[in-house]
Amino acid sequence: SQQGEEDPQALSIQEGENATMNCSYKTSINNLQWYRQNSGRGLVHLILIRSNEREKHSGRLRVTLDTSKKSSSLLITASRAADTASYFCATARLSGYSTLTFGKGTMLLVS
Amino acid sequence: DAGITQSPRHKVTETGTPVTLRCHQTENHRYMYWYRQDPGHGLRLIHYSYGVKDTDKGEVSDGYSVSRSKTEDFLLTLESATSSQTSVYFCAISESILAGGRNEQFFGPGTRLTVL
Repeated sequence: SQQGEEDPQALSIQEGENATMNCSYKTSINNLQWYRQNSGRGLVHLILIRSNEREKHSGRLRVTLDTSKKSSSLLITASRAADTASYFCATARLSGYSTLTFGKGTMLLVS
Repeated sequence: DAGITQSPRHKVTETGTPVTLRCHQTENHRYMYWYRQDPGHGLRLIHYSYGVKDTDKGEVSDGYSVSRSKTEDFLLTLESATSSQTSVYFCAISESILAGGRNEQFFGPGTRLTVL
């Protein structure tokens, strides 16, 4: 079963606006990762946040993690048309060997 | 795409025929993965490998087999393709599979498979 669930499923904004996507998960994790997928392409890793971190930045990306609520958010500031893509969260188990479990994604359209 | 290629990129085949998809990496990463991506289901893990000749099943492994005879190559085989296996297949690699390690994954460009 899917561990991460993104919300909303789809998001449409204007260039220059901020885009916020959320991810909820069910069991304790070691880390949570966000990926981007442009239409017809493979996924690209954006950022990883570990369970002992609350916030992380990378360029125009800001990721937060609330382990008490089992949720994460991805904020893209000053969106551009080139940010149009699907965004997926993926979680790794708490310890040991762990494959990633991906959510179903949020489709972002920036026009 | 981080030194990962997949072949073929597109394939149309008929029900009951065997199909083999190839993933080739030049990054020398130990761990390799095969996923399928379908509308409404997101990305689901089929099989993965933690070294040459070492593989394990993922969430949706029925109807699929894999082999890894060299570090750089990971093959996915559909022994007898069915229409339900129509999908986009992605290969991925990572340096580590440990939860606390460098387990970010890098993806290939995908193979679109249609089974008629």
